[in-house]
Amino acid sequence: AQKVTQAQTEISVVEKEDVTLDCVYETRDTTYYLFWYKQPPSGELVFLIRRNSFDEQNEISGRYSWNFQKSTSSFNFTITASQVVDSAVYFCALSEAGNAGNMLTFGGGTRLMVKP
Amino acid sequence: EAGVTQFPSHSVIEKGQTVTLRCDPISGHDNLYWYRRVMGKEIKFLLHFVKESKQDESGMPNNRFLAERTGGTYSTLKVQPAELEDSGVYFCASSQVLPLMSAEQFFGPGTRLTVL
Repeated sequence: AQKVTQAQTEISVVEKEDVTLDCVYETRDTTYYLFWYKQPPSGELVFLIRRNSFDEQNEISGRYSWNFQKSTSSFNFTITASQVVDSAVYFCALSEAGNAGNMLTFGGGTRLMVKP
Repeated sequence: EAGVTQFPSHSVIEKGQTVTLRCDPISGHDNLYWYRRVMGKEIKFLLHFVKESKQDESGMPNNRFLAERTGGTYSTLKVQPAELEDSGVYFCASSQVLPLMSAEQFFGPGTRLTVL
């Protein structure tokens, strides 16, 4: 069965520090998709990125970057030069291609607090 | 374009009462999902609609939960009778149907349900 683990429940950094949020997943499917969502204080889950299992290229989007390593089943998320507005709960999620409905399996989330 | 909306944002009810949650997906999105986050735990899948049909309800905890999506537009999730362990945040998400891949799911702000 699929599983996503976010070992860091809470991280606190000072503004402008870099921070990495860890995500480790388990799946038996060879084709799967990995996601990161951000949950700001307003409550909704905001989509950040989707990565499929055949694409191990790292991705950078502004201050955000993602490192996908199939060898260690990890999909880590780094925020460079963190800002107070980055404070939120971040969720990593997995969807297996073998599941026709594409339901998401979430990790427990990491609460990031960026202090000024 | 309007995002996924959910109503109410908060609901406080007593054990044994009935509550109905509503979700309006993004227009044109045939996939509609319900998820739930019970305090301190992961966000868990409840069920999945494609248009008006239930595709997967394997995550529904028991027969006190009833979901409908009449006409393939908005969906309701009724809990009857509510129990203390039903307290949590109920999220709705919608996505397009894309062949051979898992589309990103767009989430609503959630309904926080408290059962006293």
